[in-house]
Amino acid sequence: DAMVIQNPRYQVTQFGKPVTLSCSQTLNHNVMYWYQQKSSQAPKLLFHYYDKDFNNEADTPDNFQSRRPNTSFCFLDIRSPGLGDAAMYLCATSRARQGISPLHFGNGTRLTVT
Amino acid sequence: TQLLEQSPQFLSIQEGENLTVYCNSSSVFSSLQWYRQEPGEGPVLLVTVVTGGEVKKLKRLTFQFGDARKDSSLHITAAQPGDTGLYLCAGAPIFLSNDYKLSFGAGTTVTVRA
Repeated sequence: DAMVIQNPRYQVTQFGKPVTLSCSQTLNHNVMYWYQQKSSQAPKLLFHYYDKDFNNEADTPDNFQSRRPNTSFCFLDIRSPGLGDAAMYLCATSRARQGISPLHFGNGTRLTVT
Repeated sequence: TQLLEQSPQFLSIQEGENLTVYCNSSSVFSSLQWYRQEPGEGPVLLVTVVTGGEVKKLKRLTFQFGDARKDSSLHITAAQPGDTGLYLCAGAPIFLSNDYKLSFGAGTTVTVRA
């Protein structure tokens, strides 16, 4: 089945130690997104790629970076994680821009910062 | 300020009871999507409503889009423990039609007790 896969499911890192989360998709969708979700809240969009075109949200901290080396893969790099960055990180894809086509989410990576 | 207000925030009911979740806005939306997120998983699309006044049924779930396309509701008949999860509504407001961003409601956490 076509899907969005995130690795790892759980990630523990130390305060200030860089961490990379990965996402792959077999849907061949043009758009890939990274969301941050804290306990039972709505997902918060960090940034997205439309093909190779990177779009950062205005309130996404500089600490968060992303890479999309090809259509299938997208990475979220957190350069210096703080305690406040502990959250579920969700990767999603869509065929077209949001608002037009629905999102397909991965199962998320739960990040713990110690 | 949330563009989409969901209510209630939490709902706990006994198996077999009915429930309704509301998603309201003062803005007009071209469409609204409903997602369900089970604990530890990513959100999964349930339905997209597009036409004002539209009613869609998905087994025991009934979704309605308001005539003015400013609100939506999700009604679950004879709820089962498997319906437990975070229900999120999401949409792109027409006044942001040139901006593709999907706005999420804060979600309704539904717990169905056996």
